[in-house]
Amino acid sequence: EAGVAQSPRYKIIEKRQSVAFWCNPISGHATLYWYQQILGQGPKLLIQFQNNGVVDDSQLPKDRFSAERLKGVDSTLKIQPAKLEDSAVYLCASSLGTGWRDTQYFGPGTRLTVL
Amino acid sequence: ILNVEQSPQSLHVQEGDSTNFTCSFPSSNFYALHWYRWETAKSPEALFVMTLNGDEKKKGRISATLNTKEGYSYLYIKGSQPEDSATYLCAYVNTGNQFYFGTGTSLTVIP
Repeated sequence: EAGVAQSPRYKIIEKRQSVAFWCNPISGHATLYWYQQILGQGPKLLIQFQNNGVVDDSQLPKDRFSAERLKGVDSTLKIQPAKLEDSAVYLCASSLGTGWRDTQYFGPGTRLTVL
Repeated sequence: ILNVEQSPQSLHVQEGDSTNFTCSFPSSNFYALHWYRWETAKSPEALFVMTLNGDEKKKGRISATLNTKEGYSYLYIKGSQPEDSATYLCAYVNTGNQFYFGTGTSLTVIP
């Protein structure tokens, strides 16, 4: 079974530029999550999708971050414009079910550096 | 923002030693606790999902216990091997569907 795929693996941009990350979850998984992990901190949930609907985006900085889940499968996370403090690893995860007791399967992450 | 703490922040052990670390979380409104292992340059890997007070789970040489009344979980590794070197993360979920990771314990097993 293929795992969660993410691209790119690494990205370096200058502040005020835009960037987009892509995630392909495990086939058949209903729920998709995006996390931000800043160095020295635990991952923080940015947004949770159930199929193609948003369940929780309370910690997503909506003035600059946006995300969508196309047809309930792939997802993209965009930052526009980027700030220095956005430097982090962005993790995508998916789970078969829709509950917080379901095992989440993570992708390898995208390491973003904003200069 | 809820407080999920892991201790120690990092530790080094000799190959063959057993070790354990702690995840502390709010004892009220508990719903679930997840443990993950995150090796450098790899994806975080789910170890356990724990839901009931007194739960004990085991996967090979790794086991975990849960005390929801006092708000802590222990992760044990028996006979540590170099391949156990990783960051171990816990994530707490409450009944309000708020999900918080701890900052992790970085384990280095010295051959």
